[in-house]
Amino acid sequence: KAGVTQTPRYLIKTRGQQVTLSCSPISGHRSVSWYQQTPGQGLQFLFEYFSETQRNKGNFPGRFSGRQFSNSRSEMNVSTLELGDSALYLCASSLAGLNYGYTFGSGTRLTVV
Amino acid sequence: GENVEQHPSTLSVQEGDSAVIKCTYSDSASNYFPWYKQELGKGPQLIIDIRSNVGEKKDQRIAVTLNKTAKHFSLHITETQPEDSAVYFCAGPYGGSQGNLIFGKGTKLSVKP
Repeated sequence: KAGVTQTPRYLIKTRGQQVTLSCSPISGHRSVSWYQQTPGQGLQFLFEYFSETQRNKGNFPGRFSGRQFSNSRSEMNVSTLELGDSALYLCASSLAGLNYGYTFGSGTRLTVV
Repeated sequence: GENVEQHPSTLSVQEGDSAVIKCTYSDSASNYFPWYKQELGKGPQLIIDIRSNVGEKKDQRIAVTLNKTAKHFSLHITETQPEDSAVYFCAGPYGGSQGNLIFGKGTKLSVKP
């Protein structure tokens, strides 16, 4: 059974650019959540999508956005990149949400220079 | 806001000893508490979880206990091995059954051979 796949694994971008990260959940999973992980703030919740609808949103600025497609694959986008956006971005999938447990991908390491 | 506090931030034990990591939470309605293990370069991996109708759950050398009255839960690892060295995160739910997970800041466990 394939796990959660995130692409790309590493990314280097310049301040002011935008970036799109991709996440393919486990087959059959309909919920996809995104987290930002930094040494200082730890794991912070960005947003969750379920059946193509954003169901929950964390406390991040509007520069962070996401979407989910009909096949449950999800993308997140960060516009006007700032140095502080450098982080490991993790995607987690679940059958239907919180009570079903989450499986994380290996993440995308974003470096903004 | 809701949060999960985790202690200690670092823990060093001798191989074969036990390790205990503790977390407290603030939302009295919380009913699902997972523990994740994150190794270098990988995403967090679910190792055990517990629901509020159970006080303790074991899986081989790993156990989790939950005290709903005191709002704390703990991870116990017995007979530690060098491969147990990793960062461990506790988490709690936020926003009800369709909410998201809030993570503790993590505990870096080092098991010395």
